[in-house]
Amino acid sequence: SQKIEQNSEALNIQEGKTATLTCNYTNYSPAYLQWYRQDPGRGPVFLLLIRENEKEKRKERLKVTFDTTLKQSLFHITASQPADSATYLCALIPSGGYNKLIFGAGTRLAVHP
Amino acid sequence: DAGITQSPRHKVTETGTPVTLRCHQTENHRYMYWYRQDPGHGLRLIHYSYGVKDTDKGEVSDGYSVSRSKTEDFLLTLESATSSQTSVYFCAISGSQGLAGVNGGEQFFGPGTRLTVL
Repeated sequence: SQKIEQNSEALNIQEGKTATLTCNYTNYSPAYLQWYRQDPGRGPVFLLLIRENEKEKRKERLKVTFDTTLKQSLFHITASQPADSATYLCALIPSGGYNKLIFGAGTRLAVHP
Repeated sequence: DAGITQSPRHKVTETGTPVTLRCHQTENHRYMYWYRQDPGHGLRLIHYSYGVKDTDKGEVSDGYSVSRSKTEDFLLTLESATSSQTSVYFCAISGSQGLAGVNGGEQFFGPGTRLTVL
């Protein structure tokens, strides 16, 4: 069966450290993989996307990697701050998916001062 | 929220009653989507639209219907609400054209509607 999985346990880290979140998928061949941030009571907000032929993408303190062999994407936040505390969702567009995103359940990140 | 509004923001209704949720956009984007979000399941696609009067089913479409008579409005209807449809509903839009588009299908989400079916 097709699955996209994120760690359901919350990730707790100290301010200033690098947070690393994992997204694994099975039985998909994604053309794109995206990461979103969601705060309580709000809709998700797009952060980054990475294409199947890209290994890494950066935006300010954010970095995403995409390994199509391992079927995994890693999302890193460097120099984390308490304001980074939120739930982070990964989502993929399968090849031929015509803009239909498949979402993981998300991982909650808590950055402690 | 990228020019997307949802109404109502909160609704409590009883089993068996019809419910319509509205999504309105001011971005003139082609694609519109309805998702539901439940604990442990993440966001699941209910229906989507790729143009006026053009809609298709998503992963969890049973019990839901949609309509899009104008570019800016996408309506989600629960014909006869059930307790299993208690959820938070999000509308999203995307301006990407064709297969994943230039920007990879980035979606912009509305603020959500919390629906409780008693």
